[in-house]
Amino acid sequence: SAVISQKPSRDICQRGTSLTIQCQVDSQVTMMFWYRQQPGQSLTLIATANQGSEATYESGFVIDKFPISRPNLTFSTLTVSNMSPEDSSIYLCSVFGTVSTDTQYFGPGTRLTVL
Amino acid sequence: GDSVTQMEGPVTLSEEAFLTINCTYTATGYPSLFWYVQYPGEGLQLLLKATKADDKGSNKGFEATYRKETTSFHLEKGSVQVSDSAVYFCALHSGGYQKVTFGIGTKLQVIP
Repeated sequence: SAVISQKPSRDICQRGTSLTIQCQVDSQVTMMFWYRQQPGQSLTLIATANQGSEATYESGFVIDKFPISRPNLTFSTLTVSNMSPEDSSIYLCSVFGTVSTDTQYFGPGTRLTVL
Repeated sequence: GDSVTQMEGPVTLSEEAFLTINCTYTATGYPSLFWYVQYPGEGLQLLLKATKADDKGSNKGFEATYRKETTSFHLEKGSVQVSDSAVYFCALHSGGYQKVTFGIGTKLQVIP
């Protein structure tokens, strides 16, 4: 299994500002995943973060809006830039298990409200 | 592409009632199937999984059987408790790339 922590757990932000979300894993992993969970909806993959290379973004998500850093094998950050109320969501960090490689482990999420 | 369809909620049950949450899928190849649970204010956590046809995953009194012939993975529990109130996500993982397709989630509320 993997234990994942995220900071902050929640925040309320003003339109036009940016927020950086941190994700820390208790073990070294190659790939880390960032998801968005909009109110009442399922999870949508934003991007995959590999250590030592640029993140891979899913369709509809761009680096200028969601820059990601991956400085080492246990840590990643996701920034939500130039926020609007439509960015209000829960943002989740995730990794796959190193033993059960098809099982995902999730952080507790960051609940973002943009006014 | 891959897809997961699960019944929309919310589902409201009395304590000790029988629970079924339907999930069907479309996928290429032979996916692994999962149920994740999200308790209020928390992230998702794995509830159970099945990796091949006819496998039954079980945990905490919940069960789901991988039915290839009906492409289904319905979640069941014989007697729900108030503490089971949460959102339940059906998901599949197919192919070599570690990408998972999630259903929309079903909110379960159990009342005393």
